[in-house]
Amino acid sequence: AQSVTQLDSQVPVFEEAPVELRCNYSSSVSVYLFWYVQYPNQGLQLLLKYLSGSTLVESINGFEAEFNKSQTSFHLRKPSVHISDTAEYFCAVMSLGTYKYIFGTGTRLKVLA
Amino acid sequence: ETGVTQTPRHLVMGMTNKKSLKCEQHLGHNAMYWYKQSAKKPLELMFVYNFKEQTENNSVPSRFSPECPNSSHLFLHLHTLQPEDSALYLCASSQDDRGNQPQHFGDGTRLSIL
Repeated sequence: AQSVTQLDSQVPVFEEAPVELRCNYSSSVSVYLFWYVQYPNQGLQLLLKYLSGSTLVESINGFEAEFNKSQTSFHLRKPSVHISDTAEYFCAVMSLGTYKYIFGTGTRLKVLA
Repeated sequence: ETGVTQTPRHLVMGMTNKKSLKCEQHLGHNAMYWYKQSAKKPLELMFVYNFKEQTENNSVPSRFSPECPNSSHLFLHLHTLQPEDSALYLCASSQDDRGNQPQHFGDGTRLSIL
């Protein structure tokens, strides 16, 4: 069975500081990996995805995530955060074959002035 | 106009009421999903429809009844709900229910059961 673990439920960080949100998964088959962001009172929006190819994927707003197969991780990073990045971030995995999305419990990023 | 629209945004109902949640997508997708989002719990997949046919029911209690009249519309009919059913209900769509396409979410209906 597949699973996703986001160990950090909340991450406070000062504006312009770097941040890393951790995501680990388990699956017996190959996976697709996603990060979604949820701003207050909104649904989830796709931030970035890893399907194949380069293990480093980037979003248009400065976030990046690296697929590490040996560590079964897909951590999300940003070198310098803004107040507007305050939101909840969800990691999701889809295993090839089942095509079922499994979401993590989310990490609430709070950027402080 | 956003790709996935959910109405109402907020709903307060008693345990004996009957109400329906509506979801509409304008993306030309063929798969639609209902999720339940509760505080401090992972997003729970409830139902999946692909080309109007239900392809997944995640052991959801029968007090939740989905309906998919066409690929653009999805309803969730509610009756005799319990206080623990209070949550944010999210609708999503994707090209189909297979493959690697991301899901597009609506803004949700926040449901409160009195």
